Amino acid sequence: NAGVTQTPKFRVLKTGQSMTLLCAQDMNHEYMYWYRQDPGMGLRLIHYSVGEGTTAKGEVPDGYNVSRLKKQNFLLGLESAAPSQTSVYFCASRLYGELFFGEGSRLTVL
Amino acid sequence: AQSVTQPDIHITVSEGASLELRCNYSYGATPYLFWYVQSPGQGLQLLLKYFSGDTLVQGIKGFEAEFKRSQSSFNLRKPSVHWSDAAEYFCAVGSNDYKLSFGAGTTVTVRA
Repeated sequence: NAGVTQTPKFRVLKTGQSMTLLCAQDMNHEYMYWYRQDPGMGLRLIHYSVGEGTTAKGEVPDGYNVSRLKKQNFLLGLESAAPSQTSVYFCASRLYGELFFGEGSRLTVL
Repeated sequence: AQSVTQPDIHITVSEGASLELRCNYSYGATPYLFWYVQSPGQGLQLLLKYFSGDTLVQGIKGFEAEFKRSQSSFNLRKPSVHWSDAAEYFCAVGSNDYKLSFGAGTTVTVRA
């Protein structure tokens, strides 16, 4: 069972570069989320989606964009990466209140 | 908006001893409450959840949690800790607006 899959798992960027993180889920869940995890701060919600074609801002949306063109995929984009975006990013899908997480994508911005 | 506080950043416990992790939440209505565990380098795994009904909730790996509305708390407990319980634990609160908010986490170290 694949569940929630994130790619890539690791990436190093230079300041100003762009990149996209891909999240794919095979559970047919409507809701999907992108969180970032930083030491001592828990998980903070970046953006989320309540269905195909919809997106909404979370707590820390600045510097990120998202798209949900297909129900199973939720893309997180960084248009111009900054060192403050160095973090571990987690994607999750949700069913009946429970979140199912991917294994994370570790991003370093130099 | 909802919020979660985990007062303990780090707890050290001896193997076989009991463990209690504290969680306090802020939310105007009846919340959905969760505890997740994260092992190093891994994603988060659900331990247990509370939506309604019995305020004592049983989860996986021998964990339980008790919802106390009067104290706005949802503390996690385990009677006897195993070395494999060393991990980071997150409390989370959900609401009807589709969002789940997490606490900062408590790191548990188990000593032999």
